Amino acid sequence: GAGVSQSPRYKVAKRGQDVALRCDPISGHVSLFWYQQALGQGPEFLTYFQNEAQLDKSGLPSDRFFAERPEGSVSTLKIQRTQQEDSAVYLCASSLAGTSGPTDTQYFGPGTRLTVL
Amino acid sequence: QKEVEQNSGPLSVPEGAIASLNCTYSDRGSQSFFWYRQYSGKSPELIMFIYSNGDKEDGRFTAQLNKASQYVSLLIRDSQPSDSATYLCAVRGGFKTIFGAGTRLFVKA
Repeated sequence: GAGVSQSPRYKVAKRGQDVALRCDPISGHVSLFWYQQALGQGPEFLTYFQNEAQLDKSGLPSDRFFAERPEGSVSTLKIQRTQQEDSAVYLCASSLAGTSGPTDTQYFGPGTRLTVL
Repeated sequence: QKEVEQNSGPLSVPEGAIASLNCTYSDRGSQSFFWYRQYSGKSPELIMFIYSNGDKEDGRFTAQLNKASQYVSLLIRDSQPSDSATYLCAVRGGFKTIFGAGTRLFVKA
């Protein structure tokens, strides 16, 4: 695809429901990142994949959050038993290479706005 | 102490002026530094990155890095109303990128 896509764009969940957020990275991109952005804050790192390997999940707030990228392309972020504090925009980004260098630009998707009632 | 600190603003400048945005970071091991622009309701878009001490210019934008002072800045020359947005400073060490909370910039026509 032309860019990173995410679905759904908006999700309203009742407290306690499980949700699944999908990210389609740019074709061929090795690296995939998930971020959480609360209102008025910058994106906060959640987790990082290099192909199908989850190399860093240190930012996941609790064991209710789980991410996967089984075939090294599409990724899903799952939140179990949602709480009101989970309300935020969830951003996915991908980059071409599996390096940490500055030229490995991260391209962001449009985000999924999750509201937990 | 937050790892990446920015003045939340809003910073208001007249059209045609220079806007100066500042950022400090706490991790001395940080390797590369980024400025993103984020319009309301949109996702961040990269303006420029810098990883060596000194200045880096790209069109109307100049990034400045001082690793000894752990300080990064972004200058926007000839500011335009279309530059009105939130500017996010981001710092990368390894694969993890840490963002500041952003500075809101308003450019008055």
